[in-house]
Amino acid sequence: EPEVTQTPSHQVTQMGQEVILRCVPISNHLYFYWYRQILGQKVEFLVSFYNNEISEKSEIFDDQFSVERPDGSNFTLKIRSTKLEDSAMYFCASSVDSGGAYTQYFGPGTRLTVL
Amino acid sequence: AQSVTQPDIHITVSEGASLELRCNYSYGATPYLFWYVQSPGQGLQLLLKYFSGDTLVQGIKGFEAEFKRSQSSFNLRKPSVHWSDAAEYFCAVGARAAGNKLTFGGGTRVLVKP
Repeated sequence: EPEVTQTPSHQVTQMGQEVILRCVPISNHLYFYWYRQILGQKVEFLVSFYNNEISEKSEIFDDQFSVERPDGSNFTLKIRSTKLEDSAMYFCASSVDSGGAYTQYFGPGTRLTVL
Repeated sequence: AQSVTQPDIHITVSEGASLELRCNYSYGATPYLFWYVQSPGQGLQLLLKYFSGDTLVQGIKGFEAEFKRSQSSFNLRKPSVHWSDAAEYFCAVGARAAGNKLTFGGGTRVLVKP
């Protein structure tokens, strides 16, 4: 069964450094998402992406964050200058179409630790 | 704004016993509702979803959930729990608009006693 994959599984970085989290969505999916879960808190929506542009973003997704689909398979989340509070599990998801009727399939997550 | 509450942070259940996980949502219209499960080291796996129609929905791994509009609830049930059901369970609500985002509850961690 096709699945969403994410790399790395765990990333440790120093505050102020740039990080790029990578995701390979399911191949025929057109909509892509990033969510994050700070330890002990809820899973929160960050951004959705379609046709090479952002469809929707949350208040969390400020200028420090960017997303890109650099090629036909990868979907990346970049944090330009990491802060301690960016430490979280980051989940990528994809769906074949938009709208609530289309299931979002999630990857296993990348745990980001900012020191 | 949509929101989801899962009142139980932890539940411990004996293997073979029944399980019910509570989920209450707040949304202005009929929502799309989901239950996801996360096992250690795994991603969020969809158990079941409700869009419309029959309010009792069947999912994978023997789970079912019932949508009750009057109570704004979407509780998850399993008649007989297996040790492999130990995991964290998340209820989520989705909007009907395009560019859908999911709003998650805080999760319920299920421990299964032998």
